[in-house]
Amino acid sequence: KAGVTQTPRYLIKTRGQQVTLSCSPISGHRSVSWYQQTPGQGLQFLFEYFSETQRNKGNFPGRFSGRQFSNSRSEMNVSTLELGDSALYLCASSKGPGQLYNSPLHFGNGTRLTVT
Amino acid sequence: AQTVTQSQPEMSVQEAETVTLSCTYDTSESDYYLFWYKQPPSRQMILVIRQEAYKQQNATENRFSVNFQKAAKSFSLKISDSQLGDAAMYFCAYRSALRYSTLTFGKGTMLLVSP
Repeated sequence: KAGVTQTPRYLIKTRGQQVTLSCSPISGHRSVSWYQQTPGQGLQFLFEYFSETQRNKGNFPGRFSGRQFSNSRSEMNVSTLELGDSALYLCASSKGPGQLYNSPLHFGNGTRLTVT
Repeated sequence: AQTVTQSQPEMSVQEAETVTLSCTYDTSESDYYLFWYKQPPSRQMILVIRQEAYKQQNATENRFSVNFQKAAKSFSLKISDSQLGDAAMYFCAYRSALRYSTLTFGKGTMLLVSP
């Protein structure tokens, strides 16, 4: 069974631009979560989607947004990029959220975003 | 809010030896899940082991086992018969049993394995 697939693996953008990252979950998984990983802040939760609806959101500015499609694939978008947005962005999927599904998160290889 | 603390930024072990990584957490909830994830240089976070808080028995997965002390809010990972492939960053993580909950990670422990 294929794992979580994130594209692209690497991105270099300049300040002020916008970027879209893509995540394809494991087949049968309906919940997708996004995390930002930086050396200073560690792993921080961005948002979670389930059944095409955002169910939870972390403490990030409105420049960070996402969506989920009917096939459970998800995209996240960052507008007006800042240097501090340079990070590894990890996507994770699970069968569903929380206690109802008791399904652990399975992560992709991440997208390394560099903002210059 | 829940917090997860890993007090060991780096640990070293020799092949075939045993090493224990520490993790403590703070929560007021009674029902939750705890995880250990491994992140090798390939960057992919790999689930090593998980523990349901309502289970008293410590989880075990082959060479990996945990020591879960609910009252002390402690969740350590023991790796037996260490192998070179175990070298990675290890993250302890907490997840509430609430429906739409997220993973809260510790800062990680870098495990170095020498021949």
